[in-house]
Amino acid sequence: SAVISQKPSRDICQRGTSLTIQCQVDSQVTMMFWYRQQPGQSLTLIATANQGSEATYESGFVIDKFPISRPNLTFSTLTVSNMSPEDSSIYLCSATLFSGNTIYFGEGSWLTVV
Amino acid sequence: QQQVKQSPQSLIVQKGGISIINCAYENTAFDYFPWYQQFPGKGPALLIAIRPDVSEKKEGRFTISFNKSAKQFSLHIMDSQPGDSATYFCAASKGFNKFYFGSGTKLNVKP
Repeated sequence: SAVISQKPSRDICQRGTSLTIQCQVDSQVTMMFWYRQQPGQSLTLIATANQGSEATYESGFVIDKFPISRPNLTFSTLTVSNMSPEDSSIYLCSATLFSGNTIYFGEGSWLTVV
Repeated sequence: QQQVKQSPQSLIVQKGGISIINCAYENTAFDYFPWYQQFPGKGPALLIAIRPDVSEKKEGRFTISFNKSAKQFSLHIMDSQPGDSATYFCAASKGFNKFYFGSGTKLNVKP
């Protein structure tokens, strides 16, 4: 299994500011993903974080709004830029191991934009 | 287009009863079907998973039934307990490259 740590776990942000979420995995992983989950809703894939190259974004998500970095196999960041109240959500980091048996999730970063 | 459809949206079961959550998928290329359990304030945690080459998988009180021809799979929780009260998500993946999640089922097990 893998332990995925996210920071911050919770934050209240001002409209128009940006926040960077960090994700650290305790094992070497193949793929890392970022999901968004609005309260009481399902998980929506934002992007796949690719090591050493630009992330692959899903429809409806763009790099200018959600820049992602993955400098090595175990670490990734997601920035939520120019935040608005509509960005209030839980952001989840996830990863699959080299053994490839499933996808693991961090505890999530709960952002509230005021 | 929703890749995985999940029902019901919410479920109330008495302690000791059987909880059943259903999912249906469209893409026949999916080859991995996990179920996740999520408690409030926590990230989703893997509960049980199945591949399409078997029709059933059981782990403790949790069983996945898989119907490849109908493109459906379901989670059965036997002897449901109040501690099972959580939100459950089904998912589907092809080669672990991307996971598609159902809309979630909020289970409430009454003592």
